Amino acid sequence: QVQLEQSGSELKAPGASVKVSCRASGYAFNTFSINWVRQAPGRGLEWMGWINTFTANPIYAPDFTGRFVFSLDTSLTTAYLQINNLRPDDTAVYFCAREIKHFDFWGQGTRVTVSS
Amino acid sequence: QSALTQPASVSGSPGQSIIISCTGPTIGANEYVSWFQQHPGKAPQLMIYEVDNRPSGISNRFSGSMSGNTASLTISGLQAEDEADYYCHSYAGIVRFGGGTRVTVL
Repeated sequence: QVQLEQSGSELKAPGASVKVSCRASGYAFNTFSINWVRQAPGRGLEWMGWINTFTANPIYAPDFTGRFVFSLDTSLTTAYLQINNLRPDDTAVYFCAREIKHFDFWGQGTRVTVSS
Repeated sequence: QSALTQPASVSGSPGQSIIISCTGPTIGANEYVSWFQQHPGKAPQLMIYEVDNRPSGISNRFSGSMSGNTASLTISGLQAEDEADYYCHSYAGIVRFGGGTRVTVL
C-alpha cells in the first residue's frame, strides 16, 4: 500500500538548519510529484511548493523562496525539505503529500520547533 | 491570506446535512478542486477530488459540487466523527488552499 513516512520531531535554535525526510513506498516513486505543506500552530494549510520526482526540478511557492530547499534521493525513494536560517515563525508541522493534481496520500507530518 | 474563502465554522445536529462553500478566482477555472478533512493532530485526508469524485473508502455521505466560482462540500447524515476541520484546494498552475472550516456536531 502507498505510504509516506516522515522523519521525527525536531527542536532547533534560531539560525540553525533542519532537514525533514519523506520516504515513499508502495508505488513507482518517479510517477508522482511530492508537495510540501506547512501548518503553523492553530493555523491552516499553506502550500510550500513541489518537486518533480522524475527530473528533480523544484518549484517554490512565492512565500517559500530563498531559505527552503527541496531535494530527492531516488535510490532511497525519499524526498527532503531543508530549511536554512530557521526563525521562530518557522515553528510548524510540515507535511509531504503525493500529488497528481490532487494530494491523495500524505505523510504523518513532522513537527519543527524553533526556539532558543 | 488565502486566495480561497471558506466560512470559519459550520455546525449541525446529528443526521442533518451541512454545506461548506469555497469561493475564489481559481475555482471554476478547471476541474481540479479537492476537499480534505483534518482531525486534530492528524494529517489531512482526501475526501473529494476533481470537484465531485470520492476516493475509495470515503463514505458516500460526502459529496462535492461546483457552480461558477464556488465549490461546495456537502456532508449528509452528519455524525459525531465528522467533527473536524475541512479545507478546499484548487490547482490551476499554482496550488491554493482555503482557510479552513471547523465543523461542529451539536
